[in-house]
Amino acid sequence: AQSVTQLGSHVSVSEGALVLLRCNYSSSVPPYLFWYVQYPNQGLQLLLKYTSAATLVKGINGFEAEFKKSETSFHLTKPSAHMSDAAEYFCAVSEGNQGGKLIFGQGTELSVKP
Amino acid sequence: DTGVSQDPRHKITKRGQNVTFRCDPISEHNRLYWYRQTLGQGPEFLTYFQNEAQLEKSRLLSNRFSAERPKGSFSTLEIQRTEQGDSAMYLCASSLGNIQYFGAGTRLSVL
Repeated sequence: AQSVTQLGSHVSVSEGALVLLRCNYSSSVPPYLFWYVQYPNQGLQLLLKYTSAATLVKGINGFEAEFKKSETSFHLTKPSAHMSDAAEYFCAVSEGNQGGKLIFGQGTELSVKP
Repeated sequence: DTGVSQDPRHKITKRGQNVTFRCDPISEHNRLYWYRQTLGQGPEFLTYFQNEAQLEKSRLLSNRFSAERPKGSFSTLEIQRTEQGDSAMYLCASSLGNIQYFGAGTRLSVL
């Protein structure tokens, strides 16, 4: 069975500071990994994805994530936070190229202080 | 490409009533998914279709829940005899490959 753990339900950073949101996964098959962002009363928007190609993945809005198989991690980073980055972030895993369900973590709420 | 559309956006109902939600996927997408999201939690998978075939159902999907996707186009999710515990955001997503695109969701409140 697959699972995702997001460490820290709430992260607060100052504008311009590094953003680091942690995600660890468990999967019995090579995983596909995703980060989604959700703004209030909206659906989920894809930030980036790992699908067994390059381990360092760049996404939209300056975010990137690195797949580390040895650590079963897929942490999300951004060098400099912007006020508009304040949102809920979800890490998700799927069973590779099967087009099946996503298993989500519980989410991390990011706050950005001016 | 108008994105994934869900209707209604909000639904308030009384306990015991039946409700139905609709999802219109991105037109060329052959897969359609339903998820449920409660406050402070990540989305939980309910069921998914490839074209008109329902390929997987979560054990979370009690027999009060039923989903259809006639002709492989739009989908409906019906909840019969609603309970207060059904209050949640119901999200629909569609895909052609590995990336799922989400709608804005239907927020259900059961009084």
